[in-house]
Amino acid sequence: GNSVTQMEGPVTLSEEAFLTINCTYTATGYPSLFWYVQYPGEGLQLLLKATKADDKGSNKGFEATYRKETTSFHLEKGSVQVSDSAVYFCALTMNYGGSQGNLIFGKGTKLSVKP
Amino acid sequence: GAVVSQHPSRVICKSGTSVKIECRSLDFQATTMFWYRQFPKKSLMLMATSNEGSKATYEQGVEKDKFLINHASLTLSTLTVTSAHPEDSSFYICSASTLRGTEAFFGQGTRLTVV
Repeated sequence: GNSVTQMEGPVTLSEEAFLTINCTYTATGYPSLFWYVQYPGEGLQLLLKATKADDKGSNKGFEATYRKETTSFHLEKGSVQVSDSAVYFCALTMNYGGSQGNLIFGKGTKLSVKP
Repeated sequence: GAVVSQHPSRVICKSGTSVKIECRSLDFQATTMFWYRQFPKKSLMLMATSNEGSKATYEQGVEKDKFLINHASLTLSTLTVTSAHPEDSSFYICSASTLRGTEAFFGQGTRLTVV
């Protein structure tokens, strides 16, 4: 079946460090891929998405590229800030057009950024 | 983005009692709502999909008589965990989308602990 695997946390970085959170997927077909972020005490928020191979999603300095050949969608940021401390979820959907109805999530990766 | 409010954020209940969790879309009409649960160190798993005014569609393995979902209005869906047991302790989170929307908006989640 379809699934998402993301790196286990927690990840602890110093401010201005480079961030990579790995995400790979298994899917029978052509999924749309997403990264969600959950700040403490808040709901999940869509961070970025990509709906087809080689698309790059970007937002707030974060980027992820849909790599069909490696079935990956790794999240990167060049210089993290304390305010980026949160839990990050990688997800996919097989819904047409990438509508986020039936999402399959990874386990989440907790990021802590120290000043 | 649109706001989805989930209440309560935490609840502790005794084994055998029922617990109701509310999910409200505050500034848009949510024709479809989704309920997820997350066990410790596991992924968020879709439990059911509900469309306003109709019966919820449950995912395989989810007991519809135990997890009662009501979506009686365009701004409110409720999940009732009936006769709760300790194994129902989990993190429950809802999301909502509009009729033509491709993005789903998430509540902040409810941590249920059954003692």
